[in-house]
Amino acid sequence: DQQVKQNSPSLSVQEGRISILNCDYTNSMFDYFLWYKKYPAEGPTFLISISSIKDKNEDGRFTVFLNKSAKHLSLHIVPSQPGDSAVYFCAATGGATNKLIFGTGTLLAVQP
Amino acid sequence: DTEVTQTPKHLVMGMTNKKSLKCEQHMGHRAMYWYKQKAKKPPELMFVYSYEKLSINESVPSRFSPECPNSSLLNLHLHALQPEDSALYLCASSPHLAGGDSGELFFGEGSRLTVL
Repeated sequence: DQQVKQNSPSLSVQEGRISILNCDYTNSMFDYFLWYKKYPAEGPTFLISISSIKDKNEDGRFTVFLNKSAKHLSLHIVPSQPGDSAVYFCAATGGATNKLIFGTGTLLAVQP
Repeated sequence: DTEVTQTPKHLVMGMTNKKSLKCEQHMGHRAMYWYKQKAKKPPELMFVYSYEKLSINESVPSRFSPECPNSSLLNLHLHALQPEDSALYLCASSPHLAGGDSGELFFGEGSRLTVL
């Protein structure tokens, strides 16, 4: 049972344009939704998160939007830079056990 | 010090070997985690320690044995592993079980394990 899903395994964007990464979830008990960035052979790095009581959180070039009624969140990166090329994992936590559950990841490639 | 340090970075072992993965953090975090990540898959939770006590075991086979000797250290002892156990093993920590200020965990760079 995949509680957190990222339906796009990959995304290619031109430098300077907007990257939009999407994530869907099924468990309405999640408290926080997080985005992690991962380079090959490295551990995931926390990027940005949003509480379930908010619908938007912004940090520099990164903005996360949460639509609770649709159980959907998205990460916007603007402007995209080549250094943003990595795998992005959506994750969620909360509920009875408070475990961090990851989505399957989206490989973002930002073309110069 | 805001790092989670894992050693070794790479480990190759036979199915009859006994080895250990080590994880260390000096951020004063009281929750520590082991995750396993196979290629092109998300990290999957294995164990959670809270205040040096095992809090969650995600039905992990007994050939993986975690140990938390103190609040800064987390070990994963490996014995009689199978080739399908080859993966990236990630250690993480957080101030407490609820994660950081935004629910986040802080990950190490991982230990790449190959079982022959």
